[in-house]
Amino acid sequence: GAVVSQHPSWVICKSGTSVKIECRSLDFQATTMFWYRQFPKQSLMLMATSNEGSKATYEQGVEKDKFLINHASLTLSTLTVTSAHPEDSSFYICSARDDSRGPGRNTEAFFGQGTRLTVV
Amino acid sequence: SQQGEEDPQALSIQEGENATMNCSYKTSINNLQWYRQNSGRGLVHLILIRSNEREKHSGRLRVTLDTSKKSSSLLITASRAADTASYFCATSSGAQKLVFGQGTRLTINP
Repeated sequence: GAVVSQHPSWVICKSGTSVKIECRSLDFQATTMFWYRQFPKQSLMLMATSNEGSKATYEQGVEKDKFLINHASLTLSTLTVTSAHPEDSSFYICSARDDSRGPGRNTEAFFGQGTRLTVV
Repeated sequence: SQQGEEDPQALSIQEGENATMNCSYKTSINNLQWYRQNSGRGLVHLILIRSNEREKHSGRLRVTLDTSKKSSSLLITASRAADTASYFCATSSGAQKLVFGQGTRLTINP
């Protein structure tokens, strides 16, 4: 099946620094990718929709200058957490749909393995 | 904002028993999907049911969808210890994005 690789799987950083998380579709192309955030024992909250070659669409309440998204190719989207603070510590997960399966409404999404971010 | 609720939030049963989880949502949908998540890992797609379908099977999984009640259920038959995980429903409506329910933490006791 289709594979989405997310890197790194975990990262610890100091307050004030920036952290970049990569999401790659390994064997398919994805015009659109999605970034989620998950707190312990809670559900996934959609942060933004990443669009190849154009600006990301952010969900209400998500600061676009804080969470920078770049989708420079059909297989790679990156999320950069800028000026990280302890409250940004969370589990970040990306997902993508396979473009070759046609319009994405009735197809499954493939998820990366997630990135555990800890800001100290 | 989250689309809906899942019920129960936590479920603990003995191996071999059946596990049933329910999901409710609020708006019209194109499809509803169920995903599984092992602790600290990504999500794995289990099954997708379209809005014009009422029931779907995949191995030991059975999913139902009642669009009039805006609800779905996931049944896992003959549960195994390896089924221990969190299960999430997610709905797709219009745009490609998925909106997830709160999830059910399932524990299968050997």
